[in-house]
Amino acid sequence: EVQLVESGGGLVKPGGSLRLSCAASGFTFSSYSMNWVRQAPGKGLEWVSSISISGSYIYYADSLKGRFTISRDNAKNSLYLQMNSLRADDTAVYYCARGFGGPLDYMDVWGKGTTVTVSS
Amino acid sequence: EIVLTQSPGTLSLSPGERATLSCRASQSVSSIYLAWYQQKPGQAPRLLIYGASSRATGIPDRFSGSGSGTDFTLTISRLEPEDFAVYYCQQYGSSPLTFGGGTKVEIK
Repeated sequence: EVQLVESGGGLVKPGGSLRLSCAASGFTFSSYSMNWVRQAPGKGLEWVSSISISGSYIYYADSLKGRFTISRDNAKNSLYLQMNSLRADDTAVYYCARGFGGPLDYMDVWGKGTTVTVSS
Repeated sequence: EIVLTQSPGTLSLSPGERATLSCRASQSVSSIYLAWYQQKPGQAPRLLIYGASSRATGIPDRFSGSGSGTDFTLTISRLEPEDFAVYYCQQYGSSPLTFGGGTKVEIK
């Protein structure tokens, strides 16, 4: 079964850091680009970042540049999102999603998400 | 950045009725790089349509997508009880990837 499982979410104070992980199984992870998408409480979907198969091409939402870093470890079938200088408006469910083709593509498999809450 | 505007915000319909959802882009979407997703409460989004009109694996044929350029439509021919959800369009023709604000299809 194709599956993505996110972890690493939790409660963090403003200015703090958090590292999200996404474990992939049931498919050849190294053959797909990957994405992070977030959803604030009661709001719509917001794309966060994308990474190509090898990690050579990386894209971020403009509002996040410099604070978030996406990475992947194909040997461990894992995707990561390092989040620094967190703010209250980063509070959201963070989804890991598989990109069908290149790093800018539609997303055909989604994890269930991990919740990040930024609050003092 | 390509801004996607979905309308209406909420669609109130009865099971068996036809649903027509609109997604308008602020500029032309390259090569029909437009997808639609369905999201139910407490669940992750699910891919319905890619390439503006191609159904994803396992999606019933009552779902169809159409359009090009700046105007796209998702049609659900006959609403089933499980179709009441929020629907999002997404463009993937250029960075940043963007989603529309969503259309909620609710039971009338």
